[in-house]
Amino acid sequence: GEEVAQTPKHLVRGEGQKAKLYCAPIKGHSYVFWYQQVLKNEFKFLISFQNENVFDETGMPKERFSAKCLPNSPCSLEIQATKLEDSAVYFCASSPTTEHTEAFFGQGTRLTVV
Amino acid sequence: QKEVEQNSGPLSVPEGAIASLNCTYSDRGSQSFFWYRQYSGKSPELIMSIYSNGDKEDGRFTAQLNKASQYVSLLIRDSQPSDSATYLCAVKRPTASKLTFGTGTRLQVTL
Repeated sequence: GEEVAQTPKHLVRGEGQKAKLYCAPIKGHSYVFWYQQVLKNEFKFLISFQNENVFDETGMPKERFSAKCLPNSPCSLEIQATKLEDSAVYFCASSPTTEHTEAFFGQGTRLTVV
Repeated sequence: QKEVEQNSGPLSVPEGAIASLNCTYSDRGSQSFFWYRQYSGKSPELIMSIYSNGDKEDGRFTAQLNKASQYVSLLIRDSQPSDSATYLCAVKRPTASKLTFGTGTRLQVTL
């Protein structure tokens, strides 16, 4: 597609439940990024993929968070045993390469943990 | 010290005026610089990218980069109420994939 598609738009989970978010990058883009936005404007990088391979996972919390990009499937970000502090908007972005190219963002998934 | 610093604002300018948004960064290895606009409750939208020192113009927008002083700015000419949003500065190293964002400057264009 010509835009980054994220589903669902909203997700509500009780503390301790699992949350799974999906992202379909722009067709032809090799790189996928996940960011977490809390407190309106604080963007935190989580993880990036080059095709199916993890490229940079320095922002991923060691516990509870995992992500995958498998061939012919949307990428996914999964949070096991959600906590209140996981409440945020999770944005996915894609770009064709990493060198001097822009990243384009999806509409985000708002996760609310209650 | 944050890696990318922006004044949170709000920056209030009258319609038709020039809005000037500034950003400083600490990583001298940064090579790519971006301005995103984010409306409340929406996703970031790319406005400008700049990679070389100097000015880059696109319509009413001009991005300015000074690597020696480690700052990037965005000028919006003939500001319109529809420009009211949060403007995010983002930087990237050449070997890294991730963008590092500032916390954004909220711009209000008043009638």
